[in-house]
Amino acid sequence: AQSVTQPDIHITVSEGASLELRCNYSYGATPYLFWYVQSPGQGLQLLLKYFSGDTLVQGIKGFEAEFKRSQSSFNLRKPSVHWSDAAEYFCVPGCSGYALNFGKGTSLLVTP
Amino acid sequence: DAGITQSPRYKITETGRQVTLMCHQTWSHSYMFWYRQDLGHGLRLIYYSAAADITDKGEVPDGYVVSRSKTENFPLTLESATRSQTSVYFCASSDIGELFFGEGSRLTVL
Repeated sequence: AQSVTQPDIHITVSEGASLELRCNYSYGATPYLFWYVQSPGQGLQLLLKYFSGDTLVQGIKGFEAEFKRSQSSFNLRKPSVHWSDAAEYFCVPGCSGYALNFGKGTSLLVTP
Repeated sequence: DAGITQSPRYKITETGRQVTLMCHQTWSHSYMFWYRQDLGHGLRLIYYSAAADITDKGEVPDGYVVSRSKTENFPLTLESATRSQTSVYFCASSDIGELFFGEGSRLTVL
């Protein structure tokens, strides 16, 4: 079964600092992987997705993620965090290209 | 306007009552999904549908019923609501990869 783990439930970073949110996956074949963001009181928005090809994926809002098969990881990064990035982040596995099962996510707090 | 809409946005009901949450999308996306979001559990998939008249269970289907007679609609019914079904419910649709979410329906079961 396709599954991912986000080891960090909560992350706190200072505004302007770099960010890395971890996502580990377990699959046999090349996975489909997605990162979604949920701002407080809002629905969810796709940040980026990986199907195949280039392992470094660029997304919206200055986010990127790198697929590393050797480490079974798909970590989300941003070089400089803004206060508006405070939100819940979900790494989601896909099936035939569709994101299905969300996990518990990582809650990001941005301090001044 | 194109998009995905859920109704009602807020609902309070009593234990044992039947409740239906509606979901309507205007894109003609093939896939539709229902999730529930609870503190400490993230989003959990309840049911999904690959096309009209095709539905399948997700992670937490017990106590819920879905139907999809038309591509654009995917109602979720709680046949006999329980307090444990108090949650925020999100409907989503998908064409190729990206999920598009509704604004959510907050359900409280007393």
